[in-house]
Amino acid sequence: EAGVAQSPRYKIIEKRQSVAFWCNPISGHATLYWYQQILGQGPKLLIQFQNNGVVDDSQLPKDRFSAERLKGVDSTLKIQPAKLEDSAVYLCASSASSSYNEQFFGPGTRLTVL
Amino acid sequence: QKEVEQNSGPLSVPEGAIASLNCTYSDRGSQSFFWYRQYSGKSPELIMFIYSNGDKEDGRFTAQLNKASQYVSLLIRDSQPSDSATYLCAVINSSASKIIFGSGTRLSIRP
Repeated sequence: EAGVAQSPRYKIIEKRQSVAFWCNPISGHATLYWYQQILGQGPKLLIQFQNNGVVDDSQLPKDRFSAERLKGVDSTLKIQPAKLEDSAVYLCASSASSSYNEQFFGPGTRLTVL
Repeated sequence: QKEVEQNSGPLSVPEGAIASLNCTYSDRGSQSFFWYRQYSGKSPELIMFIYSNGDKEDGRFTAQLNKASQYVSLLIRDSQPSDSATYLCAVINSSASKIIFGSGTRLSIRP
């Protein structure tokens, strides 16, 4: 069974630029999560999708971050414009149900904002 | 007060000994508790989850939960060098039903 796929794996941009990350969950997984993990901290949940609907986005900075999951499969997370403090690893995870004990993480995208 | 607190470490344990990792949480109504292992440069992987007070064992790992003290721990028996990693405690917040991670404890197993 293929795992969660993410691209790109690394991205370096300058502040005020835009960036987008892509995630392909495990086949058949209805729930998809985006996390931000800043160096030295634990992951912070940004947004949770159930199929193509948003379950929770309370920690998503909506003035600059957006996410979508069209057709309930792939998802993209966008930052526009980026700030220095957005430098982090962005992790995508998926699960068959909404249960966190079945959550599998992708390899992450490491973003550096200069 | 942080919602989920862990000692950042590093915690250094000799090979073969028991490693004890601790976590406290602030939301008394939290129901679900998780331990993840994260190797440097890799993504987190779930080791254990526990919902009820008491102990839950899985191989060399034992999770312990004490809801009255708002405390959850992870014991690793017969520690191996491959156990060297950062261990993340995570809790499901009762009011928002979302997962909240601690900052992790870095564990180093010395041969």
